[in-house]
Amino acid sequence: GESVGLHLPTLSVQEGDNSIINCAYSNSASDYFIWYKQESGKGPQFIIDIRSNMDKRQGQRVTVLLNKTVKHLSLQIAATQPGDSAVYFCAEDYGRAGGGADGLTFGKGTHLIIQP
Amino acid sequence: GAVVSQHPSWVICKSGTSVKIECRSLDFQATTMFWYRQFPKQSLMLMATSNEGSKATYEQGVEKDKFLINHASLTLSTLTVTSAHPEDSSFYICSARDPGWGTEAFFGQGTRLTVV
Repeated sequence: GESVGLHLPTLSVQEGDNSIINCAYSNSASDYFIWYKQESGKGPQFIIDIRSNMDKRQGQRVTVLLNKTVKHLSLQIAATQPGDSAVYFCAEDYGRAGGGADGLTFGKGTHLIIQP
Repeated sequence: GAVVSQHPSWVICKSGTSVKIECRSLDFQATTMFWYRQFPKQSLMLMATSNEGSKATYEQGVEKDKFLINHASLTLSTLTVTSAHPEDSSFYICSARDPGWGTEAFFGQGTRLTVV
């Protein structure tokens, strides 16, 4: 079936460096994408989102890029800090019901490890 | 952002018993809530969509008679795992969307269920 997937299960970066986490999606009908951060034993925490009519969106230290041509999504974290260590998930909403009434389809997750 | 709260945070039950998990939207009303299940080192999988005042919608492969969902009010959805077995041990997470925040989904802190 259709799914959202991630290329790298684990990403290790030096503190202070930039991190890039990638995600491939397969449903061309998806119109809304979200990145979540999940710390051990906790629920997902919203990081940033982007709609399909955009190709880039920036937040505080984070940037999401969307390439609809190749169905690729990425999360860039600038100047990574120890507190950024977590599992990061991309999720898509392909508007089955519309109006925000859909559950999300999550990717497999990438474990980001920050090295001191 | 909006706050979604789950209770309990963790629960241990004996095989064959039933367990109820509550999901509350604390500062907004949610006509729709979502229930996810997450096994260790895996992604979140949507189980069902909880609809206030009507029947829940279950994802393919999720037994509706085993996972009973009740959305009795605009701020409360409950998931009851009936006749629990060890293979039902998992991390259960609910989410809801606050119309005032658009399409962003807010997640509860999750409930760790262990069936012994």
